[in-house]
Amino acid sequence: QKEVEQNSGPLSVPEGAIASLNCTYSDRGSQSFFWYRQYSGKSPELIMFIYSNGDKEDGRFTAQLNKASQYVSLLIRDSQPSDSATYLCAVRFGNQFYFGTGTSLTVIP
Amino acid sequence: DAGITQSPRHKVTETGTPVTLRCHQTENHRYMYWYRQDPGHGLRLIHYSYGVKDTDKGEVSDGYSVSRSKTEDFLLTLESATSSQTSVYFCAISESIVLAETQYFGPGTRLLVL
Repeated sequence: QKEVEQNSGPLSVPEGAIASLNCTYSDRGSQSFFWYRQYSGKSPELIMFIYSNGDKEDGRFTAQLNKASQYVSLLIRDSQPSDSATYLCAVRFGNQFYFGTGTSLTVIP
Repeated sequence: DAGITQSPRHKVTETGTPVTLRCHQTENHRYMYWYRQDPGHGLRLIHYSYGVKDTDKGEVSDGYSVSRSKTEDFLLTLESATSSQTSVYFCAISESIVLAETQYFGPGTRLLVL
């Protein structure tokens, strides 16, 4: 069984702060890693993917991957109320994707 | 948005009845997936397809069957619906399985089994 674990939260941050979301995974053979955002009642939408150790930045978002520690994180800089959502971590192993249960983020104006 | 539609979007049915959910894509992607999403469990894979007539089971496949007779359509059937199958069902597509390839999700189907 391939496990993907996230802190369910809720995580609350003030507007303009940095939000830090974390994810660990159990299988060292996992190949690529994804962060999705899901608004209530909507489908998941891709924010970022990463497959090499280190950091990857895209606008206000930075994904960090540490394969030795089996850890992937997402930083959201200058958090906005529109960032309030559930963030899903996903891990691809072979042709299957495994998802965490998500972290609920609330950005307080 | 990726060209993915799901039908129906909402359905209420009774225990013991068969139910078929449809996923339709206009992207010509090879891979298609069916997930269910439940509170406390996140997204769990039911079945997936890696080509026409090529399907395989996911982690929660019991009670479900699938068919893919055309690239663009992937059907999920609940042979005899049970209350435990009340959930939100998402279809997803992926062009390939190279490292950078990701999945894109349809709008979801809310199923209530009474």
